[in-house]
Amino acid sequence: QQQVKQSPQSLIVQKGGISIINCAYENTAFDYFPWYQQFPGKGPALLIAIRPDVSEKKEGRFTISFNKSAKQFSLHIMDSQPGDSATYFCAATTPGGSGSARQLTFGSGTQLTVLP
Amino acid sequence: DAEITQSPRHKITETGRQVTLACHQTWNHNNMFWYRQDLGHGLRLIHYSYGVHDTNKGEVSDGYSVSRSNTEDLPLTLESAASSQTSVYFCASSDRDRGLDEAFFGQGTRLTVV
Repeated sequence: QQQVKQSPQSLIVQKGGISIINCAYENTAFDYFPWYQQFPGKGPALLIAIRPDVSEKKEGRFTISFNKSAKQFSLHIMDSQPGDSATYFCAATTPGGSGSARQLTFGSGTQLTVLP
Repeated sequence: DAEITQSPRHKITETGRQVTLACHQTWNHNNMFWYRQDLGHGLRLIHYSYGVHDTNKGEVSDGYSVSRSNTEDLPLTLESAASSQTSVYFCASSDRDRGLDEAFFGQGTRLTVV
């Protein structure tokens, strides 16, 4: 059972264009939604994250849009650059209980290629 | 600088052999996790630990085990390697006490079972 569904599986964008990756979730207990960026041969690294009490978060060229009622969130990369070419994973976590930590549930990933 | 390291980076083993993948972090994080990454599946949680002597099963724990004897290390053991366990394995850590949600990942171990 995939709790976080991500699309598209791959995306090709021209330099300067907008890249959009979408995720949908089922578990309404999720309360933290990070995006991870992974370059070939490297581990995932946190890119940007949002909590459901806001509808949008922007950091530089990266923006997360969040729609709580639709249980959907998306990553927008403005002015996409060849250096943004990587695999992007959305994720979600539930609140950790006493003595426990958050566990990440990942989407299946999107391989982004930005053409020069 | 604090970091999380995995070893080996690449491993080829035969079906039925026992294999141990190492994970070492120098952040003094309480929480450590093992994930496997497969095309089309993203990252799936194998085992995790909230502290010394604590271990828990994740989504895909069958055929794997972990032990936590100190804060820094969480080795992952494949009891009897199977071809279905060919994958890229990532270790991660996070810090409950700091209240941070970010998990820091190692660079991964590519395991091939032949």
